[in-house]
Amino acid sequence: IAGITQAPTSQILAAGRRMTLRCTQDMRHNAMYWYRQDLGLGLRLIHYSNTAGTTGKGEVPDGYSVSRANTDDFPLTLASAVPSQTSVYFCASSDRQGGHNEQFFGPGTRLTVL
Amino acid sequence: SQQGEEDPQALSIQEGENATMNCSYKTSINNLQWYRQNSGRGLVHLILIRSNEREKHSGRLRVTLDTSKKSSSLLITASRAADTASYFCATEQPHAGGTSYGKLTFGQGTILTVHP
Repeated sequence: IAGITQAPTSQILAAGRRMTLRCTQDMRHNAMYWYRQDLGLGLRLIHYSNTAGTTGKGEVPDGYSVSRANTDDFPLTLASAVPSQTSVYFCASSDRQGGHNEQFFGPGTRLTVL
Repeated sequence: SQQGEEDPQALSIQEGENATMNCSYKTSINNLQWYRQNSGRGLVHLILIRSNEREKHSGRLRVTLDTSKKSSSLLITASRAADTASYFCATEQPHAGGTSYGKLTFGQGTILTVHP
């Protein structure tokens, strides 16, 4: 069982380019999340999805979009990357059936925008 | 501003000593969770304490929650070098009708270093 996988592990990207970060979970969790982690700022929620077919905005959604076509996949797209999007990106999932929300995290994608 | 704020920002101790980290938050919560992050890795869930609970144990971990003070503490007893990591608290706000999404708000973390 892999849990959550993210790809790529790291990426260097020129400003203005489009980039999609991939996230796949095999736990059949209904909820999924994207965070960015920056030094001194902790983790901040970008977008989330309660269930396949629905998405919502988190704390810092500008410049990012997501889709949730099925239960397992939750890609994050940067339409036109900017240097301020340099960060480590974590995908997470949770099974919210029980009402309390433990989250499982992927290994992260380190993105550098030049 | 951050919902959860950890204190201290960094903690350095010797193996065998206890480590205590504190977390304060601002608004009412459904639960509070602690996560661990080893350098360069994803976060790993350690323990969850619900708003109606005051103390919880898991192995060498002890978590307390004081909702009147909006604070929590994480105690790691008999620390080991392998406990060296960053520790984050995260709060889940109460569900609101049908719009809840189990949002967690993370603090900035405490960097724990345990020296052998």
